[in-house]
Amino acid sequence: DQQVKQNSPSLSVQEGRISILNCDYTNSMFDYFLWYKKYPAEGPTFLISISSIKDKNEDGRFTVFLNKSAKHLSLHIVPSQPGDSAVYFCAALGGATNKLIFGTGTLLAVQP
Amino acid sequence: GAVVSQHPSRVICKSGTSVKIECRSLDFQATTMFWYRQFPKKSLMLMATSNEGSKATYEQGVEKDKFLINHASLTLSTLTVTSAHPEDSSFYICSATTGTGNQPQHFGDGTRLSIL
Repeated sequence: DQQVKQNSPSLSVQEGRISILNCDYTNSMFDYFLWYKKYPAEGPTFLISISSIKDKNEDGRFTVFLNKSAKHLSLHIVPSQPGDSAVYFCAALGGATNKLIFGTGTLLAVQP
Repeated sequence: GAVVSQHPSRVICKSGTSVKIECRSLDFQATTMFWYRQFPKKSLMLMATSNEGSKATYEQGVEKDKFLINHASLTLSTLTVTSAHPEDSSFYICSATTGTGNQPQHFGDGTRLSIL
């Protein structure tokens, strides 16, 4: 039972354009969400997070939007750069547990 | 800040060998460390949670006697894959957190384990 889903396994975007990565979850107990970026043969790197009491969090080129009613969050990268090419995982925390539940990841390719 | 070092980065060994993987938090005290396994084209699957000085909590389906976890200090946790077999070949990643509130987990670079 996949509680955190990233339905797009891959995404290709032109340099300078916006990248939008989507994530859906099923467990209403999740109250904290995180995005991680992962290069091959490396561990995930924390990017940005959002608490369920907010609907938006921005950090430089990265913005995360949360729609609780739809159980959906998205990561926007503007402008996209070739160095952003990586696998992006969304993850969720909550339900009185500190266990991160990861999505399956989306491979982002930013074309120069 | 928040650097987690994982060693070794790659191991290739014969079936039946036991392999130890170390996870160290270099610049913070990690009250809680996690061990994940990543299968090809799959998400990271949590194997176990370890708190310093206590026994690890294993996820359902993870063999405790197969995957021994020790968290002897606030900066070091080890995962030992005992009597490894080819089906144990995988990418293992540790993470660490201070465990206070919604602190992000910080990940090591992972260990690619290949059992021949």
